[in-house]
Amino acid sequence: NAGVTQTPKFRVLKTGQSMTLLCAQDMNHEYMYWYRQDPGMGLRLIHYSVGEGTTAKGEVPDGYNVSRLKKQNFLLGLESAAPSQTSVYFCASRYYGGELFFGEGSRLTVL
Amino acid sequence: AQSVAQPEDQVNVAEGNPLTVKCTYSVSGNPYLFWYVQYPNRGLQFLLKYITGDNLVKGSYGFEAEFNKSQTSFHLKKPSALVSDSALYFCAVRDIRDDKIIFGKGTRLHILP
Repeated sequence: NAGVTQTPKFRVLKTGQSMTLLCAQDMNHEYMYWYRQDPGMGLRLIHYSVGEGTTAKGEVPDGYNVSRLKKQNFLLGLESAAPSQTSVYFCASRYYGGELFFGEGSRLTVL
Repeated sequence: AQSVAQPEDQVNVAEGNPLTVKCTYSVSGNPYLFWYVQYPNRGLQFLLKYITGDNLVKGSYGFEAEFNKSQTSFHLKKPSALVSDSALYFCAVRDIRDDKIIFGKGTRLHILP
């Protein structure tokens, strides 16, 4: 039982490059979330989805886009990476009324 | 909009002593409240949650938390700390009328042998 899987786990980008982080869950959860973790800032919500085909903005959505074309996948895109987007990104999912299940994180460095 | 405050960046406790990690929240409606723990270079693991019912919630690894509506608090507690409890702890809140789950900044817990 894999739970929540994030790929890639590590990535280094140059400023202006684009990339996509993939989150996949095998628990048939309706709700999926993307957070970023920065020292002293805790976890901040970027975008979330309440079901297939839906997305919504979180606390810090600027510079990111998301898509939920399939229920099990939630993609986070950076169209033009900036050094301020250097962070550890976490994906999480949950069932209705439940707690979040987290992936192991994706460490992104933007030079 | 909901928010969470964890007023202590770090808490130091001697092994065997009781520990408390503080959390206060703000929501417009009724809250769902959560505690998570993060070990180095790992994702977050769920400890416990308050949805409704008893104000004292018991969770994993001997942790418990007390929901106090009048003080809008949800402090994490454990009667006797272990060195292995040393980690980063996050409190989170969800407004029952919303789907966003907002986290605090985290509290680093050091258990001293």
